[in-house]
Amino acid sequence: RKEVEQDPGPFNVPEGATVAFNCTYSNSASQSFFWYRQDCRKEPKLLMSVYSSGNEDGRFTAQLNRASQYISLLIRDSKLSDSATYLCVVGYSTLTFGKGTMLLVSP
Amino acid sequence: DADVTQTPRNRITKTGKRIMLECSQTKGHDRMYWYRQDPGLGLQLIYYSFDVKDINKGEISDGYSVSRQAQAKFSLSLESAIPNQTALYFCATSDSRLARGNEQFFGPGTRLTVL
Repeated sequence: RKEVEQDPGPFNVPEGATVAFNCTYSNSASQSFFWYRQDCRKEPKLLMSVYSSGNEDGRFTAQLNRASQYISLLIRDSKLSDSATYLCVVGYSTLTFGKGTMLLVSP
Repeated sequence: DADVTQTPRNRITKTGKRIMLECSQTKGHDRMYWYRQDPGLGLQLIYYSFDVKDINKGEISDGYSVSRQAQAKFSLSLESAIPNQTALYFCATSDSRLARGNEQFFGPGTRLTVL
């Protein structure tokens, strides 16, 4: 089983849509959970940390289910500028990155 | 702004050449990392350093070596480059003193092509 698994997509959605990404991880000892965003040929940038209680940052909501080893990201009211690849990231002393889920938001 | 910089940004070289990629940071972070990214694959950890005297192998260290010259500098060397080392290389930093100490900040990347 791969350490961090994501649906590669692409997810094609119209502006204003709500879209959800899921991720599963294999290492139950993981303590840190993040969503990063990566634009084409650019460096990954932190989108948000993920906490056990769930957390929200504007249009973005992240959830963590430790029992199921499952992480989700919900994007509401999608914007054209949300088009990117979203990386699920899990770790303890070092981080393991998923291959990413590509999102394409169209007018 | 405190930053992570990488040099060179692009490099084309030939098989068998020795190549050094450099990373510098002004964030004051103690931890530094080197990753490679291939199309369709996730970031793979090559080496990491938790402080100046600490060097650790990542999942794909074969064919690479590193040097942590100072807290702010971490260089990656390919002793004898081969074509399958063609990839996008990222340096990253993190600060163990922060509550979310694992959060990593990335440099802009170095695109390396080995012919």
